[in-house]
Amino acid sequence: NAGVTQTPKFQVLKTGQSMTLQCAQDMNHNSMYWYRQDPGMGLRLIYYSASEGTTDKGEVPNGYNVSRLNKREFSLRLESAAPSQTSVYFCASSEIRVTGELFFGEGSRLTVL
Amino acid sequence: GENVEQHPSTLSVQEGDSAVIKCTYSDSASNYFPWYKQELGKRPQLIIDIRSNVGEKKDQRIAVTLNKTAKHFSLHITETQPEDSAVYFCAGIAYSGAGSYQLTFGKGTKLSVIP
Repeated sequence: NAGVTQTPKFQVLKTGQSMTLQCAQDMNHNSMYWYRQDPGMGLRLIYYSASEGTTDKGEVPNGYNVSRLNKREFSLRLESAAPSQTSVYFCASSEIRVTGELFFGEGSRLTVL
Repeated sequence: GENVEQHPSTLSVQEGDSAVIKCTYSDSASNYFPWYKQELGKRPQLIIDIRSNVGEKKDQRIAVTLNKTAKHFSLHITETQPEDSAVYFCAGIAYSGAGSYQLTFGKGTKLSVIP
C-alpha cells in the first residue's frame, strides 16, 4: 500500500517548456488535489477533482491544466513554464471531500529557469 | 471565500515548555478545522482536527480548542520535545461557489523546540 505517489520528485525546466506531473493513489479515494507550496505562503490549491470525471479550479489555477485520468490518477500539466511556477508541488487525496483527512504525496520540486 | 490567518509565523520554545499556535477564520459557516504538521523535507500530515460541534479535542500532548463566536481556533502542544520541531498549518473551509467547498490553509508556523 504505497498511498499517494508522485513523479518526478525533481525537475528543472527552461522558461516556455512544458511538462506533466503525475499522481496516483491506491486508497480508492474519490477526491484528489494539487497544491503548490512556496516559502511563507502555505499550501495553495491549484486544482482539485471531487470525483472521477470532474475537475475544478482552486485558488491559483492560472498556467496549469489537469486531467483526472481515472479514479486512481490525477495529473497536472504546465503548458508553458514560467519562473513564477518554481515551487514544490504536492498531490493529495481524500475519501471525503473537504472534511476528510488529506493524504499527501512526497512532493515534486520544480525549478523553472 | 474563506480567509485563514495564522500566528505566529515562527515560534521558539524550550524543551518541556508549551507551545500555542492560533488561527482565525472569516466564514462563520466553516465547521471543520484540521491541523497539519510538516517536518523538514517531508509531506504534511494530519495531526488533529476538530468539528464545530465540540469546543476542545485532545490527543496525548496535543489539543485543539475552537471558539466559534470569536472565529478562532488554537493548537496547544504541551511538554514539547525536539521531534515537535516542524511547520504547522491550520486550515478552514472555503466556499468556492456552486455548492463546492475546499480547504484553505494558513501560511504556517515554524516551531523550533530548543533542547
